[in-house]
Amino acid sequence: DIVMTQTPLSSPVTLGQPASISCRSSQSLVHSDGNTYLSWFQQRPGQPPRLLIYKISTRFSGVPDRFSGSGAGTDFTLKISRVEAEDVGVYYCAQATQFPYTFGPGTKLEIK
Amino acid sequence: EVQLVESGGGLVQPGRSLRLSCTTSGFTFGDSAMSWFRQAPGKGLEWIGFIRNQVYGGTTEYAASVKGRFTMSRDNSKGIAYLEMNSLKIEDTAVYYCSDVSPWRYWGQGTLVTVSS
Repeated sequence: DIVMTQTPLSSPVTLGQPASISCRSSQSLVHSDGNTYLSWFQQRPGQPPRLLIYKISTRFSGVPDRFSGSGAGTDFTLKISRVEAEDVGVYYCAQATQFPYTFGPGTKLEIK
Repeated sequence: EVQLVESGGGLVQPGRSLRLSCTTSGFTFGDSAMSWFRQAPGKGLEWIGFIRNQVYGGTTEYAASVKGRFTMSRDNSKGIAYLEMNSLKIEDTAVYYCSDVSPWRYWGQGTLVTVSS
């Protein structure tokens, strides 16, 4: 199975400041079709996950442009350019390149 | 508007069975694979499997943790996906979510399954 790791696991951030979350996979996430199926999800307290970014860097419809994704192969990053209060929650990376699909452990974003 | 609504959760004893439903609207259900996930209390997300669309024969893939015990099915005429859970264990206690095909754009609110004696 592909193991997904995230750092940090907790991230206290000041409002208006940037935040960055790293995700690493135990194997390359490049699929045989040439795509890299790495996604990022936000989960606010008491809510289902919300897709933010897919295929490394494509923002899903309605996601603010302060969220961006980057990376390649086994190393990926989610960046929030200026954190807002509504960004509080847990962020997960996930891979859908190889069965079984797997998630990272989550990074809790909180406001200082 | 795309909607997914899970139902069927509840309290069940270990070893018993439960069937969850995911009722959908707002998209062409028959064209979409449907995925299931779960989240144990205070824990992270776990993909437990998916069922392909009718073009791919509605075949399924499962996580090792549920393979042989859980079965996914679908009723394309009704737009409903099902998760049949047998031989339930205490560690199956979780909120169960359904979603569409990867990258999982749409999610239901989840339904809580509690396995306890």
